Amino acid sequence: DSGVTQTPKHLITATGQRVTLRCSPRSGDLSVYWYQQSLDQGLQFLIQYYNGEERAKGNILERFSAQQFPDLHSELNLSSLELGDSALYFCASSVATGVQGYQETQYFGPGTRLLVL
Amino acid sequence: QKEVEQDPGPLSVPEGAIVSLNCTYSNSAFQYFMWYRQYSRKGPELLMYTYSSGNKEDGRFTAQVDKSSKYISLFIRDSQPSDSATYLCAMSAGFANAGKSTFGDGTTLTVKP
Repeated sequence: DSGVTQTPKHLITATGQRVTLRCSPRSGDLSVYWYQQSLDQGLQFLIQYYNGEERAKGNILERFSAQQFPDLHSELNLSSLELGDSALYFCASSVATGVQGYQETQYFGPGTRLLVL
Repeated sequence: QKEVEQDPGPLSVPEGAIVSLNCTYSNSAFQYFMWYRQYSRKGPELLMYTYSSGNKEDGRFTAQVDKSSKYISLFIRDSQPSDSATYLCAMSAGFANAGKSTFGDGTTLTVKP
């Protein structure tokens, strides 16, 4: 158990709908990362938040958005869903001290499996 | 061209074999090199972490980094059926890139009893 929790575990919805995925980082971790993993594309970085602020952005669609709340949990919002959005969505957290030379080792949650029909 | 290319596999070996998993990369800024293990589409689990070039050993696992060749490897000695999983390499430029990691697509390993 990494200490990172994600809800829900599974989500089935229809095209055009909107869903919210939730992540609680490990105690003490300030940084949250979101990843998408589909069968044909591997693990793709979406976005990172550090202590409530967006820090880095990857291949995140405009239909997707995220935020990190004062209690450090994070939500990933997916809207106008398409069939191709079906994937595993992982959240990871790290201490993120922001100290140069320090690699922020990431701990992954169990993921949310999204199926868009 | 992807920044990180990983030998696609799949790889099937008998129990007790030595396994070699490999990745190449193109970004010279990468300084941190990680290997993750992922069981059955569950969350990736950090196995090994190496900074810059060199070797690092942890039990049956050895990670090697050759920055001059932009090539990293993970060796598994005396492989066990419980090692059957997908292995992902990951790399990061560290603080300079907000700690963001770029992952390979993974190599699926099956160790047969």
